[in-house]
Amino acid sequence: SQKIEQNSEALNIQEGKTATLTCNYTNYSPAYLQWYRQDPGRGPVFLLLIRENEKEKRKERLKVTFDTTLKQSLFHITASQPADSATYLCALDASGAGSYQLTFGKGTKLSVIP
Amino acid sequence: DAGVIQSPRHEVTEMGQEVTLRCKPISGHNSLFWYRQTMMRGLELLIYFNNNVPIDDSGMPEDRFSAKMPNASFSTLKIQPSEPRDSAVYFCASSWGQVEAFFGQGTRLTVV
Repeated sequence: SQKIEQNSEALNIQEGKTATLTCNYTNYSPAYLQWYRQDPGRGPVFLLLIRENEKEKRKERLKVTFDTTLKQSLFHITASQPADSATYLCALDASGAGSYQLTFGKGTKLSVIP
Repeated sequence: DAGVIQSPRHEVTEMGQEVTLRCKPISGHNSLFWYRQTMMRGLELLIYFNNNVPIDDSGMPEDRFSAKMPNASFSTLKIQPSEPRDSAVYFCASSWGQVEAFFGQGTRLTVV
């Protein structure tokens, strides 16, 4: 069956360290993968998109990698700050045809401790 | 642009009643999505419209759920009759192309 797993429900990290979140998927061949941030009581907010032919993408303190062989994406936040505390969701194009329909993981709740 | 606008923000209703959730997508976006989020199941896609036409409604749980998009600036999700297991946060999102989906603030539905 198809699965998207974010293998930590919660992750606590000290301020200033690098947070690494993992997204694994099975029985999908996505054309792209996206990462979103969700704060309590609010809708998800887009952070980064990485395509199947890209190994790595960066945006300020954020870095995403995409390994289609391992079927895994890693999401890194360097020099983490308490303001980075939120739930992070990975999402992929479940059809594999580059469609606009996203399937989401359940998210990892990140807490950055001052 | 004010972003994706959903109403109401909160809805409490009795089992068996009809519930209508509303969404105004971002102007110019041609794709609209309805999602449902629960602790158990996470964020699930219910239905996807492209250019106001329903493309995939395979995520709609059952016939009690229906969605319409009469024009490019408005969509509704209706539950009739509502049941306690429908309690969740319902999100509407819109997009143009594959770049990103913009989500509304959500409607928290409680069916008692």
